[in-house]
Amino acid sequence: EAGVTQFPSHSVIEKGQTVTLRCDPISGHDNLYWYRRVMGKEIKFLLHFVKESKQDESGMPNNRFLAERTGGTYSTLKVQPAELEDSGVYFCASSQGRQHTLPAEKLFFGSGTQLSVL
Amino acid sequence: AQRVTQPEKLLSVFKGAPVELKCNYSYSGSPELFWYVQYSRQRLQLLLRHISRESIKGFTADLNKGETSFHLKKPFAQEEDSAMYYCAPRPAAAGNKLTFGGGTRVLVKP
Repeated sequence: EAGVTQFPSHSVIEKGQTVTLRCDPISGHDNLYWYRRVMGKEIKFLLHFVKESKQDESGMPNNRFLAERTGGTYSTLKVQPAELEDSGVYFCASSQGRQHTLPAEKLFFGSGTQLSVL
Repeated sequence: AQRVTQPEKLLSVFKGAPVELKCNYSYSGSPELFWYVQYSRQRLQLLLRHISRESIKGFTADLNKGETSFHLKKPFAQEEDSAMYYCAPRPAAAGNKLTFGGGTRVLVKP
């Protein structure tokens, strides 16, 4: 079974440019999450999709970040325009549950995208 | 404020020695608690969850509601245990919105 895949694995851009990160969850997983780890800090929740709907986007830092999951399959996270403080590792995770409030559901993580904004 | 704290950034132990990773949380209600691990050049993955009361790879974690702690322990560390470990509470009814601690890097020396 293919795991969660993220593309690209690394991205180096200049401040002010646009970057789009992609996440392909495990097939059949309704739940898709974005997290990020900014240098030296904790892994922070960004948002949660259930199929194509945004269930919780409380972690999105500002309106420069836009996440989509058209058709409920893969998701994209666009940063426009990128700022220096956006540098970090962006993780995607997916889980199967149809009811996301079920306890102790296992998350499957992708390898992450290392974003460097210069 | 809801938060999770892993006080040790780095734990260095010798092979065969016990290792304990501390995790303290401050959440209202009864959060579920997880430990995630990231081995070198691998993905972040679930190690264990308190609700299962399981032992994985020799690791156990005891939830102490009085002390609001969920420390991870292994009596005899192995070199392959070297990794980054994250304590992750999930507040009640929060979906899978995990909150991760800052992580503890474990280095097991031969």
